[in-house]
Amino acid sequence: ILNVEQSPQSLHVQEGDSTNFTCSFPSSNFYALHWYRWETAKSPEALFVMTLNGDEKKKGRISATLNTKEGYSYLYIKGSQPEDSATYLCAFSDYKLSFGAGTTVTVRA
Amino acid sequence: GAVVSQHPSRVICKSGTSVKIECRSLDFQATTMFWYRQFPKKSLMLMATSNEGSKATYEQGVEKDKFLINHASLTLSTLTVTSAHPEDSSFYICSARPRGTTNTGELFFGEGSRLTVL
Repeated sequence: ILNVEQSPQSLHVQEGDSTNFTCSFPSSNFYALHWYRWETAKSPEALFVMTLNGDEKKKGRISATLNTKEGYSYLYIKGSQPEDSATYLCAFSDYKLSFGAGTTVTVRA
Repeated sequence: GAVVSQHPSRVICKSGTSVKIECRSLDFQATTMFWYRQFPKKSLMLMATSNEGSKATYEQGVEKDKFLINHASLTLSTLTVTSAHPEDSSFYICSARPRGTTNTGELFFGEGSRLTVL
């Protein structure tokens, strides 16, 4: 079982503030790092799939960076909005996906 | 985007009965589907990988006779929890890999099924 750690487990953000959280993963046998957003009562939806060291990806106010050598990825939310409230999962891919436990973000209006 | 439908979303059953959960890809073909189980405040734990037309590959510690997986078509995989017991109560969720994509591609998830065994 691969150890994929996400920190913090949860966080509360004031609307308009920016935030970030981390995913650490094994640095060997790396294929890809996935980020998913999981809203309550919905299906997890893919945000990013990153494969190269130094990758930075952006979707609207959400962006992610990847460091495969040291085994971590950051997810950033700029100017948080209530609709950003969700659990953000990262998953490390060698030949299968191993998930972290998620970071639950609550944005307060 | 691609849609995966998972049913039922909630099921309550008596101990000793069997429960079937379906996972369908609605607008794409999925050569591979994955079944996960999630315990409270824990990560999604991969139970098995289901490949169309062949036997599922189970993760270590997952009983294949307890959790029967069938992937009879490119759009449907089923998980049957046989002779369910209270310790099988959990959240089960499937994901699908579209045909033609690799393990670096995104997966599409169902909405999950909450099983409660009395």
